[in-house]
Amino acid sequence: AQSVTQPDIHITVSEGASLELRCNYSYGATPYLFWYVQSPGQGLQLLLKYFSGDTLVQGIKGFEAEFKRSQSSFNLRKPSVHWSDAAEYFCAVGATGTYKYIFGTGTRLKVLA
Amino acid sequence: NAGVTQTPKFRVLKTGQSMTLLCAQDMNHEYMYWYRQDPGMGLRLIHYSVGEGTTAKGEVPDGYNVSRLKKQNFLLGLESAAPSQTSVYFCASSPGLAGGRANEQFFGPGTRLTVL
Repeated sequence: AQSVTQPDIHITVSEGASLELRCNYSYGATPYLFWYVQSPGQGLQLLLKYFSGDTLVQGIKGFEAEFKRSQSSFNLRKPSVHWSDAAEYFCAVGATGTYKYIFGTGTRLKVLA
Repeated sequence: NAGVTQTPKFRVLKTGQSMTLLCAQDMNHEYMYWYRQDPGMGLRLIHYSVGEGTTAKGEVPDGYNVSRLKKQNFLLGLESAAPSQTSVYFCASSPGLAGGRANEQFFGPGTRLTVL
């Protein structure tokens, strides 16, 4: 069955430190992968997406993600975190043959000043 | 270009009351979705629509109904609200499939519903 796992429910980092949020998926073919961010009280905003091609994807707000087929992972990274990055982050995969996403349960990021 | 808008932003209901949530999009997208978001559970799909006049059930459809009479609007109805329906509801729209798979979705700001 198709699934998305975000192993870390909460992550705390200091401002200026690097960040990596993990996402693992189970899928029978090359997936379409997405990362969304949700700031407190807001809707979801697309950070980046992977459809095909270069496995290192650049997104908005200085984020990037790398698709690793051998590890079934699509981890989100940022070299230097800003206090405004505190939010919840969701990984999602586009399901084959349907119009639907499968969402991970999210990782809540806290940034220490 | 407003994107995806949702009305209302907040609502408090008593058990047994009914209400309708309105989602509107101005991007001419074919597909629209209703999700609910609960702590620790991510987003769960309630219902979706692949075009005007069509609707389909998602993961958690019980207690909800939907209608898509116009392409730009997608309505979510609660017939008899229950405390278990206390949640944040998000609407999303999508331009359609990309290579046979779900494409990017655009989300509204959400509706926070409390059922007492």
